[in-house]
Amino acid sequence: AQKITQTQPGMFVQEKEAVTLDCTYDTSDPSYGLFWYKQPSSGEMIFLIYQGSYDQQNATEGRYSLNFQKARKSANLVISASQLGDSAMYFCAMRENTRSEKLVFGKGMKLTVNP
Amino acid sequence: GAGVSQSPSNKVTEKGKDVELRCDPISGHTALYWYRQSLGQGLEFLIYFQGNSAPDKSGLPSDRFSAERTGGSVSTLTIQRTQQEDSAVYLCASSLGTRNEQFFGPGTRLTVL
Repeated sequence: AQKITQTQPGMFVQEKEAVTLDCTYDTSDPSYGLFWYKQPSSGEMIFLIYQGSYDQQNATEGRYSLNFQKARKSANLVISASQLGDSAMYFCAMRENTRSEKLVFGKGMKLTVNP
Repeated sequence: GAGVSQSPSNKVTEKGKDVELRCDPISGHTALYWYRQSLGQGLEFLIYFQGNSAPDKSGLPSDRFSAERTGGSVSTLTIQRTQQEDSAVYLCASSLGTRNEQFFGPGTRLTVL
């Protein structure tokens, strides 16, 4: 079974609009971490935001925020005021328990920001 | 400061040959990870090193794959007797320790003909 699910293969958004990228996860461990990475066409993976399973507040980093709904096992990334440079692949990832340091990645989704 | 570096950036090899991919982590980072990204896919974990602990090799797809980390810094991923299905981008990442975000290098694109 997939542990990270990103169902949107691609999205288009107008510059300056907000966009939400979906991510659902599956783990039975109460302690886990969720990450979002951006991968532009250059190929490098860029860390965006982190949410710990015990964090009380939704994580925010500048224009990025994470809509963490623990009961629904979803960790959607919200990008406010989209910019042309936000066009990239976006990957949701999970560190699924305290015993494992590896990240499990979703298949990613492609965001295109139109002028 | 310098980020994670990887070499070579591109490698084309013939089926059956051995290849070595190198990763230089960020200075001071104790944890080092190797991932593989096939075309249009997410990242697949291969192996993880943390300090002097035994590496987590649970993601290596076959015994043709091996990795070492010398002196707690530079790491080399070796693929023996390469196969066409080994073609992918191999990404290295490092972090300050457990439960910290991982910083990725630019990757090595491996093409096996």
